[in-house]
Amino acid sequence: GESVGLHLPTLSVQEGDNSIINCAYSNSASDYFIWYKQESGKGPQFIIDIRSNMDKRQGQRVTVLLNKTVKHLSLQIAATQPGDSAVYFCAEILNSGYSTLTFGKGTMLLVSP
Amino acid sequence: ETGVTQSPTHLIKTRGQQVTLRCSSQSGHNTVSWYQQALGQGPQFIFQYYREEENGRGNFPPRFSGLQFPNYSSELNVNALELDDSALYLCASSLVRGSIDSPLHFGNGTRLTVT
Repeated sequence: GESVGLHLPTLSVQEGDNSIINCAYSNSASDYFIWYKQESGKGPQFIIDIRSNMDKRQGQRVTVLLNKTVKHLSLQIAATQPGDSAVYFCAEILNSGYSTLTFGKGTMLLVSP
Repeated sequence: ETGVTQSPTHLIKTRGQQVTLRCSSQSGHNTVSWYQQALGQGPQFIFQYYREEENGRGNFPPRFSGLQFPNYSSELNVNALELDDSALYLCASSLVRGSIDSPLHFGNGTRLTVT
């Protein structure tokens, strides 16, 4: 498949490490945030979401942290595996009446065995 | 449950031509959105369709148009293709319009190359 990761910030980790991917969002009025994973040649895949009235949410091996004061979002992946290698995007929604996503620039995660 | 499917997967067109991309939404989803993803960038919102009508539009010119059919499937049409239209075009469906409780489910996209 084709790479979607050209010219993206890259995070390289070893298998088993914990990974932290950061994202700065643009609109202080956004009230819903989502992390997507995009593998080469595929569309974005939903990972985890968080509402603006929360500052932390945990899923299976993933945790999202939200700091509204500095408009910052992070995705933590525990015990990173080679299958986690992909481009990760944060996206925000302003509850404007339709579920339009505004995506960030993306970070490529490379996991070495 | 059938996911979002798009066709074709790849397409090569010449500048000035017209193109139609197709999308079948996930079973039961009545809202379809289209996004353009340039290489190395995040997806950008083109427009959304609900009940066969355009329900919101991003910063794209009128030569980008769409349709939604009674079975909720959708088409994206681009006229007078330009080189900068080369991108991955993603279709996403959701269950409820305007609800942030209904995450978008994306297809794998159509890779359009304009020469």
